[in-house]
Amino acid sequence: KAGVTQTPRYLIKTRGQQVTLSCSPISGHRSVSWYQQTPGQGLQFLFEYFSETQRNKGNFPGRFSGRQFSNSRSEMNVSTLELGDSALYLCASSGLGQGGSWQYFGPGTRLTVL
Amino acid sequence: QQQVKQSPQSLIVQKGGISIINCAYENTAFDYFPWYQQFPGKGPALLIAIRPDVSEKKEGRFTISFNKSAKQFSLHIMDSQPGDSATYFCAASKSNTGNQFYFGTGTSLTVIP
Repeated sequence: KAGVTQTPRYLIKTRGQQVTLSCSPISGHRSVSWYQQTPGQGLQFLFEYFSETQRNKGNFPGRFSGRQFSNSRSEMNVSTLELGDSALYLCASSGLGQGGSWQYFGPGTRLTVL
Repeated sequence: QQQVKQSPQSLIVQKGGISIINCAYENTAFDYFPWYQQFPGKGPALLIAIRPDVSEKKEGRFTISFNKSAKQFSLHIMDSQPGDSATYFCAASKSNTGNQFYFGTGTSLTVIP
């Protein structure tokens, strides 16, 4: 099976712009989670989608949003970008409906905000 | 606040030695504890995971030890190899609420040949 894919791999934006990142989970996986990884804060959970519904949400401002499509592909959007949003954004998919299951991470999208 | 605390921040081990990374948690509702390995430029990869009903789980050279009463768990890498040099993260989740994972801050492991 193909792994989790994320596009684009690299992005450079300026403050105030918005950005959309895409994630394609492993075929058959219905749970998709998003994480922000920074050197200072480590891996921080953004949100999880399961069957097109947001199931969990982390402590990020409303500028961070996401959605999931019927084919389980997911997008996350960040509006009004700030310098502090520069990070590696990781997507992870899981094949089991319940929690506590193996999560497979994509390579991430490296976002730089200037 | 950090839900999962990880130590040490960095670790240097000789080839063939044992690498030990420790994590502690506060929330007793956590019931799933995975460890991830991350190489530069890659996403984290699941190594091994444990649930609180067992005290130890071993897969190859990797072993998780779990102490429920102390709310601590650790990763032991036996016969450490230079190829094990990576950043390791522990994590925890409440499986009945989905896949929201709380990660430790990571340990950078260097195995010296």
